[in-house]
Amino acid sequence: VIWMTQSPSLLSASTGDRVTISCRMSQGISSYLAWYQQKPGKAPELLIYAASTLQSGVPSRFSGSGSGTDFTLTISCLQSEDFATYYCQQYYSFPQTFGPGTKVDIK
Amino acid sequence: EVQLVESGGGLVKPGGSLRLSCAASGFTFSSYSMNWVRQAPGKGLEWVSSISSSSSYIYYADSVKGRFTISRDNAKNSLYLQMNSLRAEDTAVYYCAREGVVAAALDYWGQGTLVTVSS
Repeated sequence: VIWMTQSPSLLSASTGDRVTISCRMSQGISSYLAWYQQKPGKAPELLIYAASTLQSGVPSRFSGSGSGTDFTLTISCLQSEDFATYYCQQYYSFPQTFGPGTKVDIK
Repeated sequence: EVQLVESGGGLVKPGGSLRLSCAASGFTFSSYSMNWVRQAPGKGLEWVSSISSSSSYIYYADSVKGRFTISRDNAKNSLYLQMNSLRAEDTAVYYCAREGVVAAALDYWGQGTLVTVSS
């Protein structure tokens, strides 16, 4: 099983801030990593796949980077609709696993 | 428009069974692998099971292996999850999710169905 950590678990930020969320794997996964955004009471939505490819329709202020064991999600200019919980997921091998999540809330 | 609609959730006693369904529309269902992902109340996401487009490959999380069975009916554009020997820790919102073709990330999700296991 590939274990994942995310940091921070809680991030307090203001509109307009640049925020960065990290995801670390217990073993290398090449670029088989996705990022999801989830708002309360809603299903998750795919933001980024293959570590750095933006899903269609996702604003360009979201970007992803990394490969191997260390990955980053960056929101370049935080908007009000971006306050949510973010999860990374590895799909390199089964069982697929999700990170524990990072909640981005209003400072 | 891609749509995934889950149904079949509800309240069940420990040790009981439940069958979840996911009705798919807006895409060629038979061409995509499908997954179930769950989320316990106030907790994070947990991948549960995956089934390939022709049902040739099936995978389960260790936490459900031997108790849950994933299946699909491509003629009916439907995905299923048969859940047996349910435990309190299976209480969660269950989402069905489509696996993308380019990458195996989960590109479309249903709205979820709540399963509560309690006496």
